[in-house]
Amino acid sequence: DAGVTQSPTHLIKTRGQQVTLRCSPKSGHDTVSWYQQALGQGPQFIFQYYEEEERQRGNFPDRFSGHQFPNYSSELNVNALLLGDSALYLCASSPVPGMNEKLFFGSGTQLSVL
Amino acid sequence: TQLLEQSPQFLSIQEGENLTVYCNSSSVFSSLQWYRQEPGEGPVLLVTVVTGGEVKKLKRLTFQFGDARKDSSLHITAAQPGDTGLYLCAGINFGNEKLTFGTGTRLTIIP
Repeated sequence: DAGVTQSPTHLIKTRGQQVTLRCSPKSGHDTVSWYQQALGQGPQFIFQYYEEEERQRGNFPDRFSGHQFPNYSSELNVNALLLGDSALYLCASSPVPGMNEKLFFGSGTQLSVL
Repeated sequence: TQLLEQSPQFLSIQEGENLTVYCNSSSVFSSLQWYRQEPGEGPVLLVTVVTGGEVKKLKRLTFQFGDARKDSSLHITAAQPGDTGLYLCAGINFGNEKLTFGTGTRLTIIP
């Protein structure tokens, strides 16, 4: 049983560019959340998707957007990249929204903005 | 804004020693989780505590949720090199499905 898978594992972009990160949830999970983890800090909640809709959003600008597909996979898009967007982006899935005791994280995508 | 502060930020001890990591907030949480994260990996859930004063044990790890549900501690007995990692606490509130993570404690166990 594959866990949460994210791609790519590493990515280098320059300021002003756009990036798309991808996530496939654990089998049987239909809720996907995205987190940003800056170096030396704990993850910060970006948003959560369920039934192809954004259910909840953290304190991130509109440059951060997402999408969930009918197969429950999800994308995170970041426009107009800033140096401060460099971070590990983590995807987490759960069977239903709010079931955090069944939350699984992927290994993340390490984004470097130059 | 709810904040969770962890202490110490860094901890390096010898194998076999005991240690305690703290997670403190001025806010009340419905439940609290502890995660361990290793380099290049995502956080892995260790435990969820729900009731004020609750104590849970996971082998050599003991987790306690404060009576007022504002703080928590993680105690490791006879630490082993495999315990090395970043320990994160995360608070949860009913009706708010995001996790609010702490600042993390980076633990190194020296063989």
